[in-house]
Amino acid sequence: QSVLTQPPSVSGAPGQRVTISCTGSSSNIGAGYDVHWYQQLPGTAPKLLIYGNSNRPSGVPDRFSGSKSGTSASLAITGLQAEDEADYYCQSYDSRPYVFGSGTKVTVL
Amino acid sequence: EVQLVQSGAEVKKPGESLRISCKGSGFSFTRNWISWVRQMPGKGLEWMGRIDPSDSYTNYSPSFQGHVTVSADKSISTAYLKWSSLKASDTAMYYCARHSGYDFPLDYWGQGTLVTVSS
Repeated sequence: QSVLTQPPSVSGAPGQRVTISCTGSSSNIGAGYDVHWYQQLPGTAPKLLIYGNSNRPSGVPDRFSGSKSGTSASLAITGLQAEDEADYYCQSYDSRPYVFGSGTKVTVL
Repeated sequence: EVQLVQSGAEVKKPGESLRISCKGSGFSFTRNWISWVRQMPGKGLEWMGRIDPSDSYTNYSPSFQGHVTVSADKSISTAYLKWSSLKASDTAMYYCARHSGYDFPLDYWGQGTLVTVSS
């Protein structure tokens, strides 16, 4: 059972906006630690998508955005494209000391 | 170009030992930390442990403490993940990843090493 909770799946039609939630607690996200997001395309290694709650590494399209509030964080994908079909994971710092979310599969209809 | 190149796939029997590697290039190996992440078949990501190659200080997840050992040889910019006695439940893909400190993201990842443990 993951420390950070994500919905197992979300879906949307091309061009739509989808959001993925990441719910933690006062020992991780709520303690002020940053949330990072990773995209894992089928059969490949994870790739950093969002760091420090809302920052995009060079080369990541601005269709991807992140936010954080209280003990939760969110990843939004606007203008959904077929190539966005992947698994997405949030990650933060905790006593363990690093924890990942349970992962969310994004399906493009 | 920052790269983390991992060793190839392994097939082992229960009880055998194994060490897999992760070689870094294109960055200062001793100014970054290396973490190891497990992904069991069809499952999510699990953080296992990390090392600071500059002084070989390590942290482990309680779930993996005592079952694996993380080490590094800074002279050849390589980190290692070792098992002394494999179990069938160790069958998984293992990734190494770089980060700059405790609250920094895992910004570069290796390609993964598939470990299969079967009798």
